[in-house]
Amino acid sequence: EAGVTQSPTHLIKTRGQQATLRCSPISGHTSVYWYQQALGLGLQFLLWYDEGEERNRGNFPPRFSGRQFPNYSSELNVNALELEDSALYLCASSPGGGTEAFFGQGTRLTVV
Amino acid sequence: GQNIDQPTEMTATEGAIVQINCTYQTSGFNGLFWYQQHAGEAPTFLSYNVLDGLEEKGRFSSFLSRSKGYSYLLLKELQMKDSASYLCAVRDGNYGQNFVFGPGTRLSVLP
Repeated sequence: EAGVTQSPTHLIKTRGQQATLRCSPISGHTSVYWYQQALGLGLQFLLWYDEGEERNRGNFPPRFSGRQFPNYSSELNVNALELEDSALYLCASSPGGGTEAFFGQGTRLTVV
Repeated sequence: GQNIDQPTEMTATEGAIVQINCTYQTSGFNGLFWYQQHAGEAPTFLSYNVLDGLEEKGRFSSFLSRSKGYSYLLLKELQMKDSASYLCAVRDGNYGQNFVFGPGTRLSVLP
């Protein structure tokens, strides 16, 4: 059974550009969570989607947005990129109302 | 809001036992999770506690006391490969069943 997959693995953008990160959850999982992990820091919650709806949002500016598609895959969009957005972006999935969340390998975004 | 606290760093010797503590404050507790994260890699699930008591899984055990807002992860027979960050996370019903992570504890296992 395939785990959570994220693409791309690495992404380099210049300041002011937009970045799109993608996540495919484990088959049967309806919840997708997005986290930002800056170098040497903890996981900061960004967004949670379940059954196609945004259920919760972390303390990030509106230029961080996303969506969940009917097949439960998800996209994270970051507009007007800033140098401080450079981080590992992790996606996790869990069954709706389920217990643990399983993580993908992450997308390392570098803003130059 | 939520507040999850863990020690920043710990050091232990190969073959020893180490206990990593986690304290949390939340009014909508709905489960506590421990994850292991090696540098540059994604977190991997270790354990889950929703009721008070000890859950054992091989060399790893996790304990929960809901009344004290306290959990610990116990690692026995430490191996060099156990050097990693250990993340405590709480699922909070007041935040829509979201997972909120603590800052993580960086464990170094020395020979």
